[in-house]
Amino acid sequence: KAGVTQTPRYLIKTRGQQVTLSCSPISGHRSVSWYQQTPGQGLQFLFEYFSETQRNKGNFPGRFSGRQFSNSRSEMNVSTLELGDSALYLCASSTAPQINYGYTFGSGTRLTVV
Amino acid sequence: AQSVTQPDIHITVSEGASLELRCNYSYGATPYLFWYVQSPGQGLQLLLKYFSGDTLVQGIKGFEAEFKRSQSSFNLRKPSVHWSDAAEYFCAVGAVSSGSARQLTFGSGTQLTVLP
Repeated sequence: KAGVTQTPRYLIKTRGQQVTLSCSPISGHRSVSWYQQTPGQGLQFLFEYFSETQRNKGNFPGRFSGRQFSNSRSEMNVSTLELGDSALYLCASSTAPQINYGYTFGSGTRLTVV
Repeated sequence: AQSVTQPDIHITVSEGASLELRCNYSYGATPYLFWYVQSPGQGLQLLLKYFSGDTLVQGIKGFEAEFKRSQSSFNLRKPSVHWSDAAEYFCAVGAVSSGSARQLTFGSGTQLTVLP
């Protein structure tokens, strides 16, 4: 059974550009969450999608957005990139948006903003 | 709001020694608690989780954790550490509201170094 797949693994972008990251959940998983990991702030929740609807959102500016498709794959977009957006972005999938179902994380996309 | 504290930023142990990583949480109701491990450049792997019932939970790779409500703690233990256990360990709490919880709050992590 394939795990959570995130693409690309590494990305370098310039300040002011925008970027789109992709996450394919485990087959059968319909809930996808996104987390940002930085040395300074640690792991922070970005948002969660279930059935193509955003169900929960963390404390991030509107430059961070996402969506989920009918096949449960999800994308997150960051517009007008800032140096501080450099981070490891982790996607996690779950059967449903309930904590007791557990989350499986992907290996992440390492974004570097220069 | 919930929070998680991992008091030890870095721990060094010798291979074969026992290990205990500390985790304290703050949450008003019964928490859902997790321990994850992250190797360099990798995502998070779930070691174990506590939802209810027996307060001593067993996980993968020989890890266990004990939930102590009176101390608001969920410490991770392993009787004998292997060199491959060197990694960063994260404790997390998931809050439940209105029947479902939709995010994890993580501690800042504990970096484990294993000496040969």
